[in-house]
Amino acid sequence: GIQVEQSPPDLILQEGANSTLRCNFSDSVNNLQWFHQNPWGQLINLFYIPSGTKQNGRLSATTVATERYSLLYISSSQTTDSGVYFCAVDPGTYKYIFGTGTRLKVLA
Amino acid sequence: GAVVSQHPSRVICKSGTSVKIECRSLDFQATTMFWYRQFPKKSLMLMATSNEGSKATYEQGVEKDKFLINHASLTLSTLTVTSAHPEDSSFYICSARAGRPAAPLHFGNGTRLTVT
Repeated sequence: GIQVEQSPPDLILQEGANSTLRCNFSDSVNNLQWFHQNPWGQLINLFYIPSGTKQNGRLSATTVATERYSLLYISSSQTTDSGVYFCAVDPGTYKYIFGTGTRLKVLA
Repeated sequence: GAVVSQHPSRVICKSGTSVKIECRSLDFQATTMFWYRQFPKKSLMLMATSNEGSKATYEQGVEKDKFLINHASLTLSTLTVTSAHPEDSSFYICSARAGRPAAPLHFGNGTRLTVT
């Protein structure tokens, strides 16, 4: 089956810093979503982005489907950005397979 | 819009008993719901796909007799962990899709199950 790897696995930032999270997938995908899992376990939809670029406030995402990767940019990070970021891909089965995750900690 | 409610948020049960977890789509109809399991500090693992009015389809390695799924209506899917054992302790999360198969997923807040 498809493999979905995220990097880096762990990231510590000082408040105000910028970061880029990467999601690589081993096969073509029809859909891709980015999620933030907060410390209470809640999964928050960030982006539905099968291709192209989207922006929402301090967050933006780019998916290059032909090269099998997606990037999530976080600018001016805040302590509330802490948690785990997951990408999830649909390889054409209408089921989403989750990536390995990036655990982010933002220090005040 | 697209709110998914999951209940209970936490449950503790004794070994050998069964536990039912409910997943409801509050403001949309969900012909398909998905159940995921997450171990501590790990990613989400897809357990099964729940289709309204038909049998669930389970991923490889998931025991269908252990994890019973029922999708009786367009807004409700349930996961019953039968004869629970401590190794079933985990975080279970449901998700639902509104509309077309390629629509984005929306997740419930999860259920933390502890089996003693």
